[in-house]
Amino acid sequence: DAKTTQPNSMESNEEEPVHLPCNHSTISGTDYIHWYRQLPSQGPEYVIHGLTSNVNNRMASLAIAEDRKSSTLILHRATLRDAAVYYCILDAYSGAGSYQLTFGKGTKLSVIP
Amino acid sequence: DVKVTQSSRYLVKRTGEKVFLECVQDMDHENMFWYRQDPGLGLRLIYFSYDVKMKEKGDIPEGYSVSREKKERFSLILESASTNQTSMYLCASRSGGAGFADTQYFGPGTRLTVL
Repeated sequence: DAKTTQPNSMESNEEEPVHLPCNHSTISGTDYIHWYRQLPSQGPEYVIHGLTSNVNNRMASLAIAEDRKSSTLILHRATLRDAAVYYCILDAYSGAGSYQLTFGKGTKLSVIP
Repeated sequence: DVKVTQSSRYLVKRTGEKVFLECVQDMDHENMFWYRQDPGLGLRLIYFSYDVKMKEKGDIPEGYSVSREKKERFSLILESASTNQTSMYLCASRSGGAGFADTQYFGPGTRLTVL
């Protein structure tokens, strides 16, 4: 079962910031919070991940709540190329020598010109 | 750049056929994964492998098997394809092991249709 809850869809105007929320109230201390996105007709691609502190990279920022039960992906200026399904995922140790992603249904982001 | 390649983008097979989906990664990653993606159900993990000749069942392994004879190659096998296995199949790889979480890289997907 997916361990995260996201809105099914969101809309944003082009060149405006977008805040994509995610709830993960059952997160454990060793779970990383990952965000991936999937553009139409492509495989998912990595966006960002974090454990406890806020993270920034060239694509986005990740804000993690102090209790780690929620997080927000921030796209600073949405472009039409950012229209995709965004997945918030808890990366949990599988016990078989690997961390394992469990995907939920994600948030479909539409960007309006 | 990491590359994960899949043998076919589109595949059409008949019910009962044995189907092989091949995945190759070029970054010496230990871990490889097979997912299927269906509308309304998202991505679901079928099998994964954390080392050569090692495999672990994911959430929906029934009707599938896998093979990992070389580190760079992970094959998904449908022993007897059925229409309910019509889906998009995605392969992925990542490095790391216990205590280390890293980026997972996906292939472009294989859209399989079973008639």
